[in-house]
Amino acid sequence: AAGVIQSPRHLIKEKRETATLKCYPIPRHDTVYWYQQGPGQDPQFLISFYEKMQSDKGSIPDRFSAQQFSDYHSELNMSSLELGDSALYFCASSPQDPGTEAFFGQGTRLTVV
Amino acid sequence: AQSVAQPEDQVNVAEGNPLTVKCTYSVSGNPYLFWYVQYPNRGLQFLLKYITGDNLVKGSYGFEAEFNKSQTSFHLKKPSALVSDSALYFCAVRDSNTGGFKTIFGAGTRLFVKA
Repeated sequence: AAGVIQSPRHLIKEKRETATLKCYPIPRHDTVYWYQQGPGQDPQFLISFYEKMQSDKGSIPDRFSAQQFSDYHSELNMSSLELGDSALYFCASSPQDPGTEAFFGQGTRLTVV
Repeated sequence: AQSVAQPEDQVNVAEGNPLTVKCTYSVSGNPYLFWYVQYPNRGLQFLLKYITGDNLVKGSYGFEAEFNKSQTSFHLKKPSALVSDSALYFCAVRDSNTGGFKTIFGAGTRLFVKA
């Protein structure tokens, strides 16, 4: 069965650089979520999209932006990277039904040096 | 605002013994409750959920959870633990009042099952 695809799986960037993470949701899932998980921490909700519109916003820094495209894939753009941005970034998708579980990708591990 | 608490950072249990991983929640509307498991360097995998109906829900790998509205709890249980159950477990909640777009996770509980 198709799963949520994230790319790249690993990314190393220097401070002040820019990074773009991509997420391809499960077909027919119209909702995408982004989470950040620091070392030893729980996943922190960043932002979500429903039908290409931002639906909710969590603890996403102003240096980050995201969007969902017409084919429902989503991109998380991160600028002026800081050491503290090093984390595992998860994308999840689900149908627009709050009673349906989210399906998570394998994550992108971002290391800022 | 919705929130989730997992009071135990770590739970240790011997293989074959029953296990419980605790979770309490707070929402303004009706809760949609989930348990996920995370293995090292992997994404979260869905275990089970409570939406409505029977308070005892059964999920993957022999896990079950009991919804207790009066205690606002949704503890994860398994009658007989396996070494392979050792992982990080997250409780999560969606609030029906927010339309369900935001899932809030607990801090996670690391389960160690000893052979």
